[in-house]
Amino acid sequence: SQTIHQWPATLVQPVGSPLSLECTVEGTSNPNLYWYRQAAGRGLQLLFYSVGIGQISSEVPQNLSASRPQDRQFILSSKKLLLSDSGFYLCAWSFSGRSYNEQFFGPGTRLTVL
Amino acid sequence: GQNIDQPTEMTATEGAIVQINCTYQTSGFNGLFWYQQHAGEAPTFLSYNVLDGLEEKGRFSSFLSRSKGYSYLLLKELQMKDSASYLCAVSPRGNFNKFYFGSGTKLNVKP
Repeated sequence: SQTIHQWPATLVQPVGSPLSLECTVEGTSNPNLYWYRQAAGRGLQLLFYSVGIGQISSEVPQNLSASRPQDRQFILSSKKLLLSDSGFYLCAWSFSGRSYNEQFFGPGTRLTVL
Repeated sequence: GQNIDQPTEMTATEGAIVQINCTYQTSGFNGLFWYQQHAGEAPTFLSYNVLDGLEEKGRFSSFLSRSKGYSYLLLKELQMKDSASYLCAVSPRGNFNKFYFGSGTKLNVKP
């Protein structure tokens, strides 16, 4: 069976500090990978998605970036955090190939920027 | 662009039936998905519709009308544990399986 891990679970960072959130998937190969952000009481905003190693597509211009250094590893980064970067960050994966596979979410990272 | 609308909040009584609506306008359509999200947790998959009609999974059913850009999630025999947010997501045309989520409907189940 497949599992998805995210860490850390919670993070409090000062404005202007760097960020690195990591997501890994086990039990499958060549998954599609996604980063979402959810502001308090809001829906999920797609930030980045990847269909393969080194392939990153950005949905929303911002001061965040993503990388996929290995097949089942997805990293979300920032060089300098803003207050508006606070939120619940969710990594998700889906099987590649079909166009309507459900996405499976990791446990999320709650980021507070002070 | 993508436009997905859901009611913000609904209240229903334990044991009752509730219908949560979702309307969408997207550039092409591959499928519509429903997720449940308890407060502070990650969303969990409930159901999906690719073709018009009703999909039933136990107490949960989901309906889709592609011509109307409309879906609903039907929850029967409501239980207190069904109190959660319900997210509608649309996958537009393309082979990379992007999802666009609505803002979610917070369902409060009362005794």
